[in-house]
Amino acid sequence: DTAVSQTPKYLVTQMGNDKSIKCEQNLGHDTMYWYKQDSKKFLKIMFSYNNKELIINETVPNRFSPKSPDKAHLNLHINSLELGDSAVYFCASSQDRGMGKLFFGSGTQLSVL
Amino acid sequence: DQQVKQNSPSLSVQEGRISILNCDYTNSMFDYFLWYKKYPAEGPTFLISISSIKDKNEDGRFTVFLNKSAKHLSLHIVPSQPGDSAVYFCAASARNAGNMLTFGGGTRLMVKP
Repeated sequence: DTAVSQTPKYLVTQMGNDKSIKCEQNLGHDTMYWYKQDSKKFLKIMFSYNNKELIINETVPNRFSPKSPDKAHLNLHINSLELGDSAVYFCASSQDRGMGKLFFGSGTQLSVL
Repeated sequence: DQQVKQNSPSLSVQEGRISILNCDYTNSMFDYFLWYKKYPAEGPTFLISISSIKDKNEDGRFTVFLNKSAKHLSLHIVPSQPGDSAVYFCAASARNAGNMLTFGGGTRLMVKP
């Protein structure tokens, strides 16, 4: 039973399209995150939600909009996709923003053509 | 400006020997450090952590050392096993920054049988 699951695992789409990535955690954690791993393999935080409330919003284009319908779900919607959005996106969760110990999903490989 | 750096992109070690992975940081406000391990097509998984009030933390074959004056930490794996072959990410957080994790670029460890 996967702790943090995200779908889809692979997403290939054309420039200009709108797409969503879904994430669910069954750990009972209060905080969820979206990270982006770019072509240089650095993992960078995009957003963090605590109990459905946005607490971290790094410098991310406003084409990216997170949605948290409840504390077990954090979805990422991307409008007007660009070539530079191609990356691996990881969802993660933690208890009480706690001490950096995050549980990650397996990632979504987004390819924008 | 990378606040957490892993200067060795890759490391190759013989099975049974020690693996030493290094990490440097620049932000003196970091007070908690973690190592994550990542296999291909999977998300990073937490391995071991250390608080800035300690200089060593051990968990089985894994030991993390922290040298605050040098702003350097290292992960020792003894003895190395082929199953340890993965990418290892160093990460750091600061309590006054909401425990947001800053990751290094990763080091690929290859343990040869």
